[in-house]
Amino acid sequence: ETGVTQTPRHLVMGMTNKKSLKCEQHLGHNAMYWYKQSAKKPLELMFVYSLEERVENNSVPSRFSPECPNSSHLFLHLHTLQPEDSALYLCASSQDAGQGNQPQHFGDGTRLSIL
Amino acid sequence: GQQVMQIPQYQHVQEGEDFTTYCNSSTTLSNIQWYKQRPGGHPVFLIQLVKSGEVKKQKRLTFQFGEAKKNSSLHITATQTTDVGTYFCAGEIAQKLVFGQGTRLTINP
Repeated sequence: ETGVTQTPRHLVMGMTNKKSLKCEQHLGHNAMYWYKQSAKKPLELMFVYSLEERVENNSVPSRFSPECPNSSHLFLHLHTLQPEDSALYLCASSQDAGQGNQPQHFGDGTRLSIL
Repeated sequence: GQQVMQIPQYQHVQEGEDFTTYCNSSTTLSNIQWYKQRPGGHPVFLIQLVKSGEVKKQKRLTFQFGEAKKNSSLHITATQTTDVGTYFCAGEIAQKLVFGQGTRLTINP
């Protein structure tokens, strides 16, 4: 039912692995977001892209590298992650970025576990 | 620091009881949105409030925006097991959407 699709749904990786999370939105939106959701913490905004340009990077460690090849696709490349990076990673989209009055549509998330 | 505070963090009720979650900000909010995340699911947009003192209803859910636009509440009347989940408020501050920590609602049938 969601217009935002994330793959994979679950990912287990070692600290030395390199993997990528994928997000695709079918809503014709111009803005896409990556959030981290950990237990007992609010949603943490990681990156914001507007029309394929990164407009926000919330002091995210460089072991997380986003990529937005077009307005419908968003990737999060992961390398040399730490155990504390285990979390649910949510992708979202909205019509435009920098417009806090627009609803965000979330994907189902990728549950990431770092061994 | 956290700009949008939400309480309580957890709430357990008997089915049929009412439930309320509160959202507070030290900063005036341009608008406030509410989301629901079912267990194992993703946040889903419920509603947006824009005007001072605005009240909106969706069946058993009542949403309220404070007069000063610094607080909001979500009240559920006569909870049902389908109401289980985490309810998030998100306020617009400086054109950005800032989420509260969420209130996790569990219900005893």
